[in-house]
Amino acid sequence: GAGVSQSPRYKVTKRGQDVALRCDPISGHVSLYWYRQALGQGPEFLTYFNYEAQQDKSGLPNDRFSAERPEGSISTLTIQRTEQRDSAMYRCASSLGGGLPYEQYFGPGTRLTVT
Amino acid sequence: AQKITQTQPGMFVQEKEAVTLDCTYDTSDPSYGLFWYKQPSSGEMIFLIYQGSYDQQNATEGRYSLNFQKARKSANLVISASQLGDSAMYFCAMRPNSGNTPLVFGKGTRLSVIA
Repeated sequence: GAGVSQSPRYKVTKRGQDVALRCDPISGHVSLYWYRQALGQGPEFLTYFNYEAQQDKSGLPNDRFSAERPEGSISTLTIQRTEQRDSAMYRCASSLGGGLPYEQYFGPGTRLTVT
Repeated sequence: AQKITQTQPGMFVQEKEAVTLDCTYDTSDPSYGLFWYKQPSSGEMIFLIYQGSYDQQNATEGRYSLNFQKARKSANLVISASQLGDSAMYFCAMRPNSGNTPLVFGKGTRLSVIA
């Protein structure tokens, strides 16, 4: 079956531009998570959703970052006025949810480079 | 708050030998789950194994087993009969069992399997 997909896989943008990163979770998965992974580090939490409701956005670095999941399926992470420090791998994950500790399935990530 | 510590930045193991990757954690949650993920050079995140804090037995999945010592707050991953394809980054992660909260990851251990 189809796993978590993310697009684009690679994005190079100039400082100051806005970018939108897309995540398509596994069908039927309730929970969707966004993480950011710097080179040589583990993923760090950004925000997550149960269905269409954003449950926690405490990991978003600042107000240039926002995320939505309007129909409880596909999610978009938007970074406005990008800066070089935003360069990283952005990963999306989904899980069945339901309050049980189901594993999270990760997408391939979007490698963002801000020049 | 939860914290994961992986103290081994890199490990080497001879092919066909067993290797243990260390993971210690800190949490105030009474019920939680511990996870291990593998990240090969291709960049994907592959779920390996899960251990619940109230599970009486250590989790096993094929060549992977989790040496869970609750009193010591450790959840070490044991890989038996190492293969060249096991060379990768390995991340330990945890989250409370209540709700669909995001994972907290350690910094990872890079395992290199030598022929």
